[in-house]
Amino acid sequence: GQQVMQIPQYQHVQEGEDFTTYCNSSTTLSNIQWYKQRPGGHPVFLIQLVKSGEVKKQKRLTFQFGEAKKNSSLHITATQTTDVGTYFCAGFLTQGGSEKLVFGKGTKLTVNP
Amino acid sequence: KAGVTQTPRYLIKTRGQQVTLSCSPISGHRSVSWYQQTPGQGLQFLFEYFSETQRNKGNFPGRFSGRQFSNSRSEMNVSTLELGDSALYLCASQALTRYNEQFFGPGTRLTVL
Repeated sequence: GQQVMQIPQYQHVQEGEDFTTYCNSSTTLSNIQWYKQRPGGHPVFLIQLVKSGEVKKQKRLTFQFGEAKKNSSLHITATQTTDVGTYFCAGFLTQGGSEKLVFGKGTKLTVNP
Repeated sequence: KAGVTQTPRYLIKTRGQQVTLSCSPISGHRSVSWYQQTPGQGLQFLFEYFSETQRNKGNFPGRFSGRQFSNSRSEMNVSTLELGDSALYLCASQALTRYNEQFFGPGTRLTVL
């Protein structure tokens, strides 16, 4: 089953409010990737974090990788209606003797204008 | 560069039938992964092909199979369709190493009646 947990499952905010989604793994991740899927679309790569404690920023988006490389977060400052979509984290885990990219179930963000 | 293409985009089948989906990766990409996306289970990894060889496999029954051709195009087949196979099937290609970002295609929406 899934070993990458993502919370919350849904988040509704007013435009201008901040938003954070959290990703946790029971095992150490070699790296973590974040994707965004707009309604009716397909996942689009946002960023990859590799180093322990790494922090990366893309305009209003801030991505963090935990010191133990077991958790990560995506924070959006001052949300806009264009931020609507589902945000997925994905980490490489060893399952059944091989390494696979395992996705969290995603956080669906809706923004009220 | 053209993106990942998937055909067909929509498909309606009945229980017991079989289906074949096709994916053409980005030119130069040799790795193709397949995912099943459903509202309840999120994005679940089916299998990955690299240079015509299955490199990784998810936890799906043997009814789900795939292959990759010498031009890196990939197909996945689902036999003896069940209602629960209704989903969006996404194909993703990667350049070089498996730790690179995944480029997703638009998906094939399969409905099983």
